[in-house]
Amino acid sequence: EAGVAQSPRYKIIEKRQSVAFWCNPISGHATLYWYQQILGQGPKLLIQFQNNGVVDDSQLPKDRFSAERLKGVDSTLKIQPAKLEDSAVYLCATSGAPDQPQHFGDGTRLSIL
Amino acid sequence: AQSVTQLDSHVSVSEGTPVLLRCNYSSSYSPSLFWYVQHPNKGLQLLLKYTSAATLVKGINGFEAEFKKSETSFHLTKPSAHMSDAAEYFCVVSSRGGGNKLTFGTGTQLKVEL
Repeated sequence: EAGVAQSPRYKIIEKRQSVAFWCNPISGHATLYWYQQILGQGPKLLIQFQNNGVVDDSQLPKDRFSAERLKGVDSTLKIQPAKLEDSAVYLCATSGAPDQPQHFGDGTRLSIL
Repeated sequence: AQSVTQLDSHVSVSEGTPVLLRCNYSSSYSPSLFWYVQHPNKGLQLLLKYTSAATLVKGINGFEAEFKKSETSFHLTKPSAHMSDAAEYFCVVSSRGGGNKLTFGTGTQLKVEL
């Protein structure tokens, strides 16, 4: 079984620029999550999708972050404009259902200069 | 509300000796508890999970954890550490009352020395 695929693996941008991350879930996984993991901390949930609908985006900084999952499969997370404090690893996770274990991708490491 | 406290940010053991990573949780509802491992520049891998069945849970790579409700603990153990166990370990709580949302601890960095 192929795992959760994320790209790019690394990204370096300057503050105020925009950036986008992509996630391809495990086949058949309806639930998709985006997490932010700041160095030295545990992952923090940004947004949860069930198919193409948003279940929880209460922790998403909506003034600069956006995410979509238009066809209920792949998802993109965008930051515009980026701030220095957005430097982190962005992890995508998927599960067959909300009450099933989550499978994580390897993440995208974002550095803001 | 739910939360997790990992009592040690760093643990160092010698290869072949036992591993103990400590975790305490707080949850208003019957929790599900997990341990995830993260190797450098990798995503998180599920080691084991507790979901109200047997209190002693066996996971992959020889790890196990015991759910103790009276102590609100879910400590991770392994009888004999291997060099490949060096990684960051996260204790995680989830509950129906929290919408099955995962709440992560701050992580314990395990170092294994020769």
